[in-house]
Amino acid sequence: AQSVTQLDSQVPVFEEAPVELRCNYSSSVSVYLFWYVQYPNQGLQLLLKYLSGSTLVKGINGFEAEFNKSQTSFHLRKPSVHISDTAEYFCAVSETDSSYKLIFGSGTRLLVRP
Amino acid sequence: DGGITQSPKYLFRKEGQNVTLSCEQNLNHDAMYWYRQDPGQGLRLIYYSQIVNDFQKGDIAEGYSVSREKKESFPLTVTSAQKNPTAFYLCASSPTGQGREKLFFGSGTQLSVL
Repeated sequence: AQSVTQLDSQVPVFEEAPVELRCNYSSSVSVYLFWYVQYPNQGLQLLLKYLSGSTLVKGINGFEAEFNKSQTSFHLRKPSVHISDTAEYFCAVSETDSSYKLIFGSGTRLLVRP
Repeated sequence: DGGITQSPKYLFRKEGQNVTLSCEQNLNHDAMYWYRQDPGQGLRLIYYSQIVNDFQKGDIAEGYSVSREKKESFPLTVTSAQKNPTAFYLCASSPTGQGREKLFFGSGTQLSVL
């Protein structure tokens, strides 16, 4: 069975500082990896995804993530955050031949302070 | 604009009552999903459907029921058997085949018990 761990429930950071949100997964088969963002009282929006190829993936809003197979990690990074980046961020995984099921982590709340 | 519409935004359930959450999409997607979101627990899959007139249980299907009579619609009924229904419910859709790994989410329904 697959699982996703987001160890940090909340990450406070000052505006224009860099940030890293951690994600580790476990799976016995090949996986696809995703980061989604959720603004208050809204649905989720896809930030970026890793399917294959280059392990460094760039997404929207200046975010990027790096797939590390040996460490089973897919950490999300941004070099300089804005107040508007304050939101909940979810890491998710699915098997490459899955029946369309995404498994989500518990989420990390990014709180950007002025 | 194409997208997913969930209604109502807020819903209240009385003891012993069944309530139905609506989800409509005009993205021409074959697959649709229902997730439940509880604080600090991320998203958990309730039911999913890959094609009209077919659906499968997710990880927490007990106390819920669905139907898929039309491609555009995937309503979720929270039955009286669901003893802890208070949560944020998210509907999503995706293509099947190419691009199936990307889910599009609605803006959610907050269900509370009176």
